[in-house]
Amino acid sequence: DARVTQTPRHKVTEMGQEVTMRCQPILGHNTVFWYRQTMMQGLELLAYFRNRAPLDDSGMPKDRFSAEMPDATLATLKIQPSEPRDSAVYFCASGLVTTGDVSPLHFGNGTRLTVT
Amino acid sequence: RKEVEQDPGPFNVPEGATVAFNCTYSNSASQSFFWYRQDCRKEPKLLMSVYSSGNEDGRFTAQLNRASQYISLLIRDSKLSDSATYLCAVNMAGTGRRALTFGSGTRLQVQP
Repeated sequence: DARVTQTPRHKVTEMGQEVTMRCQPILGHNTVFWYRQTMMQGLELLAYFRNRAPLDDSGMPKDRFSAEMPDATLATLKIQPSEPRDSAVYFCASGLVTTGDVSPLHFGNGTRLTVT
Repeated sequence: RKEVEQDPGPFNVPEGATVAFNCTYSNSASQSFFWYRQDCRKEPKLLMSVYSSGNEDGRFTAQLNRASQYISLLIRDSKLSDSATYLCAVNMAGTGRRALTFGSGTRLQVQP
């Protein structure tokens, strides 16, 4: 079964440190999504790329978050500097997006981030 | 008003019971609808797509009501293993966004 692969699974860091999360989407999927999940806010869309081009990152705090997709097999989400309120589970998902539709998304295992 | 809303629950039901969840969405132009299941400390996993005419997969039935802008999930003959959080997801067509918006989830606890 094809899977979305995310690393690391867990990350504990101190406030002010840089955090980088990585994602390998399913081969053949043209769109990669970054979501964040907390108890209070649920699953929030941070950013997404289609054919490696950023389409929408309006859900992301731009001053500290950045998302890139250097090639078709790697997407990254970076937080610099990290803050305690960034503590959450960060999910990468991939899917097929056309002009009119979005296929079911497949999620990675997530990165559980704790910022102290 | 949230774009996608769900009753958080928890729904506590005995084994064998039938339980139904609803999910309302705000965008009348939405085209794609899905139900996901999420176990504790795991990623959301696709349970089923929701088609206009309704669809069934074993003990699970999904329905779409466009007029009232909600989707539903019915689980028959609940099993202990059905205990999880059920998330609905909607494609907000017409907003320019090509992504799924998720509800906060409904927690189901099936009891012996």
